Amino acid sequence: DTEVTQTPKHLVMGMTNKKSLKCEQHMGHRAMYWYKQKAKKPPELMFVYSYEKLSINESVPSRFSPECPNSSLLNLHLHALQPEDSALYLCASSRPGPPAYEQYFGPGTRLTVT
Amino acid sequence: EDQVTQSPEALRLQEGESSSLNCSYTVSGLRGLFWYRQDPGKGPEFLFTLYSAGEEKEKERLKATLTKKESFLHITAPKPEDSATYLCAVQATGGATNKLIFGTGTLLAVQP
Repeated sequence: DTEVTQTPKHLVMGMTNKKSLKCEQHMGHRAMYWYKQKAKKPPELMFVYSYEKLSINESVPSRFSPECPNSSLLNLHLHALQPEDSALYLCASSRPGPPAYEQYFGPGTRLTVT
Repeated sequence: EDQVTQSPEALRLQEGESSSLNCSYTVSGLRGLFWYRQDPGKGPEFLFTLYSAGEEKEKERLKATLTKKESFLHITAPKPEDSATYLCAVQATGGATNKLIFGTGTLLAVQP
């Protein structure tokens, strides 16, 4: 089974709201990722967790706060977002490298900031 | 700087008309090259991993090949359900572990 699940599927939030995106995998992967994807663009890496520790932060604004409570779960806490943050947010997981292992993506959360 | 370029940006084929998509890369060293398929509004679906020049992988109508500078995704006798965006990504030895560098994708449309 190569399934990564994400909730919610869609989220509409105002600029003053606080919300969270959730991601779960049961493949035993110890690397988990958050990506942001705008229309007609490739996924853009935001954060990487390896063995539940943050290993990469791609200079993401502090209004995005990741959390990895355990090896199966990944959260992205959102606060005071801007309309330009509207995008498809993708979670992925993989075995932690090196070497390079394929990443399995979830279906995404479509976020709209009003 | 590590870079991945995909061509063409868009490709329209008739059903049964075979073709190839190109992914050229410039990296300090290659850890792995990945092909994904993405349908509109959905997450990318993993297709293939290639590690070294000369390697080939096949799955149904798709075949991926790798040289020292580029990878090709060959589509044989495509069907309308093969319509999607195909993404190429590399992991470089000089980059952070687990970090993928994506190309901008090829949008494939297969007409019946």
